[in-house]
Amino acid sequence: GAGVSQSPSNKVTEKGKDVELRCDPISGHTALYWYRQSLGQGLEFLIYFQGNSAPDKSGLPSDRFSAERTGGSVSTLTIQRTQQEDSAVYLCASSLGDRASETQYFGPGTRLLVL
Amino acid sequence: GEDVEQSLFLSVREGDSSVINCTYTDSSSTYLYWYKQEPGAGLQLLTYIFSNMDMKQDQRLTVLLNKKDKHLSLRIADTQTGDSAIYFCAENYGAGSYQLTFGKGTKLSVIP
Repeated sequence: GAGVSQSPSNKVTEKGKDVELRCDPISGHTALYWYRQSLGQGLEFLIYFQGNSAPDKSGLPSDRFSAERTGGSVSTLTIQRTQQEDSAVYLCASSLGDRASETQYFGPGTRLLVL
Repeated sequence: GEDVEQSLFLSVREGDSSVINCTYTDSSSTYLYWYKQEPGAGLQLLTYIFSNMDMKQDQRLTVLLNKKDKHLSLRIADTQTGDSAIYFCAENYGAGSYQLTFGKGTKLSVIP
């Protein structure tokens, strides 16, 4: 079956512009996660959705970052007024449920470059 | 806070065994994971181990867990060139048990 898909695969933008990153989770997966992978920083947790609700937004680095999920499916991560330090790979993952025993399946990521 | 440490690079010859090591700090972790990331691709779950286990074997992969020392290792037997990738160790933490904390990854290079 189809895995987690993300779009765009690459995004180049100018500093100060807004960007939207999209994630399509595996059908039927109720939990969805956003991570950021920066050079030398490993993967950072950003936000987690259970259904359409985001019980944990603790990883969002600033108020320029927001995310929403609609219909318990597609999620959009929005970065407003992008900065060069936002350049990273943004990874989305989904899992059937949110217990630790549930495997998180990752998408290929969106590579964001802020000039 | 929670922290996961890994060495950054490992180089082995094709056919040899690879051992990738990881240390973590959160003793309340329930599951520990190994993910593989090939160039330009997302993360692929290789295997995971429940914290009350010492060892888990899955074909060429062996995971060893030393809970006392908070040390996790991944052994790849008969390493192949297709195993060249970045390997991430991850732990879950917190009451919600959904957040994963990742190490920075170990880049495995397999020499033909």
